[in-house]
Amino acid sequence: DTGVSQDPRHKITKRGQNVTFRCDPISEHNRLYWYRQTLGQGPEFLTYFQNEAQLEKSRLLSDRFSAERPKGSFSTLEIQRTEQGDSAMYLCASSIRGELFFGEGSRLTVL
Amino acid sequence: RKEVEQDPGPFNVPEGATVAFNCTYSNSASQSFFWYRQDCRKEPKLLMSVYSSGNEDGRFTAQLNRASQYISLLIRDSKLSDSATYLCVVNQAGTALIFGKGTTLSVSS
Repeated sequence: DTGVSQDPRHKITKRGQNVTFRCDPISEHNRLYWYRQTLGQGPEFLTYFQNEAQLEKSRLLSDRFSAERPKGSFSTLEIQRTEQGDSAMYLCASSIRGELFFGEGSRLTVL
Repeated sequence: RKEVEQDPGPFNVPEGATVAFNCTYSNSASQSFFWYRQDCRKEPKLLMSVYSSGNEDGRFTAQLNRASQYISLLIRDSKLSDSATYLCVVNQAGTALIFGKGTTLSVSS
């Protein structure tokens, strides 16, 4: 499978714990995006990278959120001190020329 | 005002019906426009890009009105398999794609 892959697919954690999600984009894609989606809403932009450079961050991305793409390939999204409001589907997408290709997402449940 | 606004629906139509979805965007500097489709519990996938002159792909027609900052998607001869959420997507050059909330379509037999 050469699509975008995300890991883990599901994560249940207790409030206050840290969680990390990983995204492996399509190999030749230089752009990588993170979005968050809750029920009944469209994907909300969090941040994106071009190669290893983080070019844009949403105001939604509080200090508890950090994303990296150290070698311009895979990316990680870490949420520190999780809150119940962080419960959502975290979607990663990659692109090379406009069209976004999404992974299946990582669903986070914070108890 | 939200950057991208859509009527959330749901739109419930019978097979064979024609249905139209509208979307407005707030940033006049927006340059690229798309419709994505998202099936229940699945990731979004590109349905079609929207060009200034309007474009058609089979039963689907997309229109752009830059003066009114308005995008539309027309689906003719609806099929059961068209049931999904349709997401309007907008961006400026060099920035991230911004999604609307989506419009839910349910086609029944």
